[in-house]
Amino acid sequence: GAGVSQTPSNKVTEKGKYVELRCDPISGHTALYWYRQSLGQGPEFLIYFQGTGAADDSGLPNDRFFAVRPEGSVSTLKIQRTERGDSAVYLCASSSKPSTDTQYFGPGTRLTVL
Amino acid sequence: TQLLEQSPQFLSIQEGENLTVYCNSSSVFSSLQWYRQEPGEGPVLLVTVVTGGEVKKLKRLTFQFGDARKDSSLHITAAQTGDTGLYLCAGASETSYDKVIFGPGTSLSVIP
Repeated sequence: GAGVSQTPSNKVTEKGKYVELRCDPISGHTALYWYRQSLGQGPEFLIYFQGTGAADDSGLPNDRFFAVRPEGSVSTLKIQRTERGDSAVYLCASSSKPSTDTQYFGPGTRLTVL
Repeated sequence: TQLLEQSPQFLSIQEGENLTVYCNSSSVFSSLQWYRQEPGEGPVLLVTVVTGGEVKKLKRLTFQFGDARKDSSLHITAAQTGDTGLYLCAGASETSYDKVIFGPGTSLSVIP
């Protein structure tokens, strides 16, 4: 398919472990967003990439969270020393242009920290 | 900090009824979007409104952007079971237009 894909779909880890979440955007989309969605809440902005660079990372909650997009396509969200409060669905979205253009969301990765 | 509030939080109606959900903020947004999200999936964009006072129709759905660009409403006529889902509004900031802020959503259940 041509949509945004995210892997894994589910990730269960133990407190203190390191996890990586992957996002494959729609081919040709230069803008890529990461969001976190807790149960009963709307998506919470984490970070936005325009090309390879992080244009806005003001939503990352602390320095345990880091994201990269080295070739301007696939992005990886990395979480160090996971905590139970990190449990949520992590959504990725891409668009051909930022802001006013349609963001296409992936199905998300459900992260559970035990 | 820009915040979006949505009401009601939960709504359960019979098939065929009409409903309106609201999205409010104390901040002005350059544009506002409505999404629908189903369980286990990402949000899907329904509409973007840009101009204050703008009204857009999408089949049985009518979206309105407030004159001051601080609020919006979504009206559904003759709801169907397929309308069930989480309805999210999201605003693009006038100052940081690349970042979209989402409201908490209205969870709609349409009962046959």
